Amino acid sequence: EAGVTQFPSHSVIEKGQTVTLRCDPISGHDNLYWYRRVMGKEIKFLLHFVKESKQDESGMPNNRFLAERTGGTYSTLKVQPAELEDSGVYFCASSQVLPGRKAKNIQYFGAGTRLSVL
Amino acid sequence: AQTVTQSQPEMSVQEAETVTLSCTYDTSESDYYLFWYKQPPSRQMILVIRQEAYKQQNATENRFSVNFQKAAKSFSLKISDSQLGDAAMYFCAYRSAGGDDKIIFGKGTRLHILP
Repeated sequence: EAGVTQFPSHSVIEKGQTVTLRCDPISGHDNLYWYRRVMGKEIKFLLHFVKESKQDESGMPNNRFLAERTGGTYSTLKVQPAELEDSGVYFCASSQVLPGRKAKNIQYFGAGTRLSVL
Repeated sequence: AQTVTQSQPEMSVQEAETVTLSCTYDTSESDYYLFWYKQPPSRQMILVIRQEAYKQQNATENRFSVNFQKAAKSFSLKISDSQLGDAAMYFCAYRSAGGDDKIIFGKGTRLHILP
């Protein structure tokens, strides 16, 4: 079974440009999450989709970030326009929706997209 | 708000030896989950081990075990018989048992395995 895949693995752009990151979750996983790790800091939650709906977007830093999950399958995260402080590693994770205690709902992560804004 | 602290940015261990990675956390909740994730260079981050706060018994997964001290809010990871493939960034993480699904991570500890 394929894991969570993210494209591209690395993106280098100039300040003011637009970048779109893509995440393909594990097949059948309705939950999809985006996280970000800025250099030297903690990995921080950005948002959570259940199917195509945004369940929680409390971690999105500002309106330059737009996440979509059309059809409830893959998701994209667009940064427009990119700023220097957006540099970091963007992780995507997915999980199933299982009944019972949440311990069963393990989040499976991708390898991340390293974004460098120059 | 919950926080997770990993005080060791980097550690090294000789192959076949045992190493312990430290983690402390802060929360006012009584029911939660704790995790250790591992990310080898340029590869997927994978779950190494998890602990449910209401379970007193420490979790173990083969060579990996935890020392969960709920009162002290401490959750250390012990790796026995270290192997070259254990070299990675290790993240300690917390998730509430209720409410939202977000995981709260520490800054990570980079583990080097010395041959």
